Amino acid sequence: EDQVTQSPEALRLQEGESSSLNCSYTVSGLRGLFWYRQDPGKGPEFLFTLYSAGEEKEKERLKATLTKKESFLHITAPKPEDSATYLCAVQAPGSRGSTLGRLYFGRGTQLTVWP
Amino acid sequence: DGGITQSPKYLFRKEGQNVTLSCEQNLNHDAMYWYRQDPGQGLRLIYYSQIVNDFQKGDIAEGYSVSREKKESFPLTVTSAQKNPTAFYLCASSMTSGETQYFGPGTRLLVL
Repeated sequence: EDQVTQSPEALRLQEGESSSLNCSYTVSGLRGLFWYRQDPGKGPEFLFTLYSAGEEKEKERLKATLTKKESFLHITAPKPEDSATYLCAVQAPGSRGSTLGRLYFGRGTQLTVWP
Repeated sequence: DGGITQSPKYLFRKEGQNVTLSCEQNLNHDAMYWYRQDPGQGLRLIYYSQIVNDFQKGDIAEGYSVSREKKESFPLTVTSAQKNPTAFYLCASSMTSGETQYFGPGTRLLVL
């Protein structure tokens, strides 16, 4: 059973057309929620960490928000260079005394922005 | 420049062969991780290490082995026991095991 579900799987936007990507999770005791951007054939690039419901973070045209069960990545007036796969990951508490807060990744949303 | 390097970028494996993927970081991070990425799936954890000379299995450790003899290095060996090794392999590190993970550029492994 997936701990993290991202939707939609793919999204095509015209340049300037704002939209949102969703990340819902079932992990209990969330320690943090992470957003990454991944270009084809490259490693994920860190964007944001959110720790508590109500928290928001912004970077250029991107804004991430967090509720108790989901996070949204809002993209305002996107440009073609925003085209990438956006990955969401949640960090669960460590188990049995372990300090490791392992990450569970969603399958990603592939965003295409056309001119 | 601080960062994570992975080599090679592409690696070809023959049947029955063991191959080793390199991961080096100069961020002074204690924790390091190996993930496997397949099309249409989320990243899956293979092995992780919270400190030098210590490592633990992740969700899909069968057919893989690691070592952590130096803080900077966390090589992954894909053994002949791994029957479906074709994938994109990503190495990551974090200051400690609970902090933000940063990723390397990845190694694509292909089977001849």
